[in-house]
Amino acid sequence: DQQVKQNSPSLSVQEGRISILNCDYTNSMFDYFLWYKKYPAEGPTFLISISSIKDKNEDGRFTVFLNKSAKHLSLHIVPSQPGDSAVYFCAAQAGANNLFFGTGTRLTVIP
Amino acid sequence: DTAVSQTPKYLVTQMGNDKSIKCEQNLGHDTMYWYKQDSKKFLKIMFSYNNKELIINETVPNRFSPKSPDKAHLNLHINSLELGDSAVYFCASSLNRGQGADEQFFGPGTRLTVL
Repeated sequence: DQQVKQNSPSLSVQEGRISILNCDYTNSMFDYFLWYKKYPAEGPTFLISISSIKDKNEDGRFTVFLNKSAKHLSLHIVPSQPGDSAVYFCAAQAGANNLFFGTGTRLTVIP
Repeated sequence: DTAVSQTPKYLVTQMGNDKSIKCEQNLGHDTMYWYKQDSKKFLKIMFSYNNKELIINETVPNRFSPKSPDKAHLNLHINSLELGDSAVYFCASSLNRGQGADEQFFGPGTRLTVL
């Protein structure tokens, strides 16, 4: 039973436009949510996180929105750049050191 | 000066063999992990060690045995390899702050292929 789901396996966006990656979860006890970015043949790298008590966190071009009532979060990238092309993983944290990952969404930013 | 390193990067072996994957981190982190990413791209935690002690042990066959000689190293030994063990294995580490988002740093992965 997968507790974190990313239902879109892929997304293509024009350079300069907004990329929106979505994530749903089932466990209301998760206390933090994180986004990781992964390039081919590399491990995931941390991008941005949000506490469950907040509804928005922004870091440069990256913003994460959390809707607790819908158990849904999204990552917005604006403007999208070709270097953003990667697989993005959503992760949810239950207590210390325990992350549950989604299956990832492959983002392609078209120049 | 790679933060989290794994060796080997690729491992091809026959069913029934025993193999090990090594992981080292130079970040001074207290906690290290092993994850398995299967063919469906599902990244799932297998083990977590904090200061050489096992703290998370998910439902993993006991053919998999992690060993942490010190807090900078967490090796994964797999006995009697099976076809279903074919996957990419990622090592990771993090500070054990006990609160806040647990930003984990991942190694590049080891692609294991069992023939």
